[in-house]
Amino acid sequence: NAGVTQTPKFRILKIGQSMTLQCTQDMNHNYMYWYRQDPGMGLKLIYYSVGAGITDKGEVPNGYNVSRSTTEDFPLRLELAAPSQTSVYFCASTSPQGWTEAFFGQGTRLTVV
Amino acid sequence: QQQVKQSPQSLIVQKGGISIINCAYENTAFDYFPWYQQFPGKGPALLIAIRPDVSEKKEGRFTISFNKSAKQFSLHIMDSQPGDSATYFCAAVISTSGTYKYIFGTGTRLKVLA
Repeated sequence: NAGVTQTPKFRILKIGQSMTLQCTQDMNHNYMYWYRQDPGMGLKLIYYSVGAGITDKGEVPNGYNVSRSTTEDFPLRLELAAPSQTSVYFCASTSPQGWTEAFFGQGTRLTVV
Repeated sequence: QQQVKQSPQSLIVQKGGISIINCAYENTAFDYFPWYQQFPGKGPALLIAIRPDVSEKKEGRFTISFNKSAKQFSLHIMDSQPGDSATYFCAAVISTSGTYKYIFGTGTRLKVLA
């Protein structure tokens, strides 16, 4: 089982560039999440989705956009990258029950210079 | 308030010792309290979890103690081993309008000395 797969693993962006972080899960999970992890700050929720076509903002959505056209995919779009977006990004998914185990991808380390 | 406060930020324990990490919450609507373990370069993975209708759950060397009245829960790692060295996150899950949100603590970096 692949579980939750994120690409790329590492990326360096210049200020003002854009990119899409990819996230795919093969567990038929309805719920998917994007978090960012800053040193000493834990995990902050950026966006989440409860199913295809449904997305909602988390704690720190500014500067990001998401879409959910299929159950499997939940890409995160960064427009006009800023140094403050330097972080490690994690995608996660949970089963239809929602409150059960969250499965995380291995993360994308993004540096904006 | 949907915060989960976790302490300490870092912890150093001798091999064989007991590691204790504490979390506190304010919102009584939380109804699921998992702990996640994260090794460097990896995503967090579920370690152990508890529902608020029990006061303790034990799985091997890992135990969650839950105090509903104090709105606190803690992770105890007995006989700590160097392989337990990782970052630990507590979390609380809340159901709002049919959706579920995970609120994570800020993490505790545990180092177990050989």
